[in-house]
Amino acid sequence: GQNIDQPTEMTATEGAIVQINCTYQTSGFNGLFWYQQHAGEAPTFLSYNVLDGLEEKGRFSSFLSRSKGYSYLLLKELQMKDSASYLCAVTNTDKLIFGTGTRLQVFP
Amino acid sequence: DVKVTQSSRYLVKRTGEKVFLECVQDMDHENMFWYRQDPGLGLRLIYFSYDVKMKEKGDIPEGYSVSREKKERFSLILESASTNQTSMYLCASSAWGRDQPQHFGDGTRLSIL
Repeated sequence: GQNIDQPTEMTATEGAIVQINCTYQTSGFNGLFWYQQHAGEAPTFLSYNVLDGLEEKGRFSSFLSRSKGYSYLLLKELQMKDSASYLCAVTNTDKLIFGTGTRLQVFP
Repeated sequence: DVKVTQSSRYLVKRTGEKVFLECVQDMDHENMFWYRQDPGLGLRLIYFSYDVKMKEKGDIPEGYSVSREKKERFSLILESASTNQTSMYLCASSAWGRDQPQHFGDGTRLSIL
């Protein structure tokens, strides 16, 4: 079966660091994407991991452990504009399977 | 920048109507996708296409069909709309390759009354 788990909601303070976890169990695995989606807008691509380890892109980093079926998105120096939903998605052969998303609220 | 354009942001239709949702991309992408997004359920794949005239069923194809007559355009058709098809519909496109990110349109919020 296919299962992708993310926390439903998280809150954090401006300037802080937050880690959003994603665990997956899928029949096939090629790689893992993270997307950001502001309310009422389209999801936008943040990162892609195919090998184990950490990928850093400015304030955002994404980690993957294939053996553990686990990924996280790390957001540093949080800003108010980071308030959004964060979607974890696993590539399985020719399709993307999405988690239900984590809604992050950043407070001043 | 990749641009994926969906024909309507908001649409209201009646039960039993045939509904067309249009999507156009301007980056010559081979792959195009239709999803619906519902609270608590996330993004679910309805249909996708790898090339003109080709279509593949996603996870929830029942009640829907698609058409891809030109590379840049992918249409979603609700043959006979029902209230349980009220949802946000998102179109996406990507270049060929499993490591290629999908680029999404702004979505169509469809209400079936």
